[in-house]
Amino acid sequence: DGGITQSPKYLFRKEGQNVTLSCEQNLNHDAMYWYRQDPGQGLRLIYYSQIVNDFQKGDIAEGYSVSREKKESFPLTVTSAQKNPTAFYLCASSLEGALLGTEAFFGQGTRLTVV
Amino acid sequence: AQSVAQPEDQVNVAEGNPLTVKCTYSVSGNPYLFWYVQYPNRGLQFLLKYITGDNLVKGSYGFEAEFNKSQTSFHLKKPSALVSDSALYFCAVALYGNNRLAFGKGNQVVVIP
Repeated sequence: DGGITQSPKYLFRKEGQNVTLSCEQNLNHDAMYWYRQDPGQGLRLIYYSQIVNDFQKGDIAEGYSVSREKKESFPLTVTSAQKNPTAFYLCASSLEGALLGTEAFFGQGTRLTVV
Repeated sequence: AQSVAQPEDQVNVAEGNPLTVKCTYSVSGNPYLFWYVQYPNRGLQFLLKYITGDNLVKGSYGFEAEFNKSQTSFHLKKPSALVSDSALYFCAVALYGNNRLAFGKGNQVVVIP
């Protein structure tokens, strides 16, 4: 069953801790994205990767880090430097990226809460 | 830089009536435009896109959208709304040569039985 899988669905973090959100896709897509969703603000781009071993900062990359060591995986680490990490995080992938107009497929999201 | 505006926070419509969700965009070149739908605590689902060609685009679940270059708009429409269409709708734009996909803030659609 092809798709994009995010885990965990819910995550709680203590202040000062780093946490890593998982994103895996078996669609053989080249491009992968991480978005943050806050109520009333839509989706904001954190990082994106067009190809393995390459990624670029989005609009709100501060306090986040990513890696793209495998085509199917694009984990996001929320570091202690991110001052307001409580949000809904969405991972997406697309065959060739927005550059060529291919649509993105989204995971079911991870809701991160700082306690 | 590209951006989209979805001017209404919430759209209320009676079941069976036409549904319109508005989107205007701002880009410096030819845009690629998308509509997505999100149900509570879920990811986004692709509805339709405009790349080139016919200005009227048909998509999933009976939705369609019309690209209007002179008005820089890409409004989403459905002739007869269903209660199950109640969800959050996002418009997005990408620019050829730029791999970033920019989303609007979303419109909550409420279909009243």
